[in-house]
Amino acid sequence: ILNVEQSPQSLHVQEGDSTNFTCSFPSSNFYALHWYRWETAKSPEALFVMTLNGDEKKKGRISATLNTKEGYSYLYIKGSQPEDSATYLCTARLAGGTSYGKLTFGQGTILTVHP
Amino acid sequence: DVKVTQSSRYLVKRTGEKVFLECVQDMDHENMFWYRQDPGLGLRLIYFSYDVKMKEKGDIPEGYSVSREKKERFSLILESASTNQTSMYLCASRPPELPYEQYFGPGTRLTVT
Repeated sequence: ILNVEQSPQSLHVQEGDSTNFTCSFPSSNFYALHWYRWETAKSPEALFVMTLNGDEKKKGRISATLNTKEGYSYLYIKGSQPEDSATYLCTARLAGGTSYGKLTFGQGTILTVHP
Repeated sequence: DVKVTQSSRYLVKRTGEKVFLECVQDMDHENMFWYRQDPGLGLRLIYFSYDVKMKEKGDIPEGYSVSREKKERFSLILESASTNQTSMYLCASRPPELPYEQYFGPGTRLTVT
C-alpha cells in the first residue's frame, strides 16, 4: 500500500493569516497527486491535480507545489478566511497500478480559521 | 454538474443488522468507489467497480460486500454490522475521459450500536 502522509493533522489560524501544510509520498513510480477540500456536510471537492515535478497550481488564494524527486507537495493558503475551514485531503497514484483510478489518501489536515 | 448522491446522511443501526448504503451517480461513469473515513486514518478504499457486475476489493474489504446491477448505482452492504464499522462512508465515481479526478457524494455517517 502506498504511504501518503499529511502534516500537521490539525491547524488553527486567525483570519488573515497565511498558512501551509504538507503531503509526502514515496517518490519512486509517482504518477499523479491530488488535493481535495472537504467542508463539513459537503462532498470533497477537487482542488488540484499535479503530475510534473515543479508543477505549481493556483486557484484564488490557494496554491500548491509539487516536488516528485523528494516526494512532497505543499498547499498554501494566503490570507485565510473562515470559509477556508475544512479538511484538506492529499492523495497520490503510482504508475503501473490499476487503471481504475485507485487513489491512496493521506490522513487529512483539518484547518480551522478563527474570525 | 456531476452529481453523486448517497441514500442517507445519517444512519443508526444495531449490531448484527444487515445494512445497505446506496450510491447513485448521474453522469454515466464506469468507475465507482466506496471509502470509509476514520479520524487519523484518512480515506480508505473498501471496494471499487469498473463496470456493471464487476467489482474489485480495495484495501479493507473485510466485513463488506458490494453490488453493481446498474451502471448508475453502487451499493455497499454490511452483512452483519459491527461496532467497528461505525464510520463515515463516502462514495465516489470517475469519468473515463478524466484519468485522475474522482467526484464524491456527501457521505453517510453510520453508527452501529
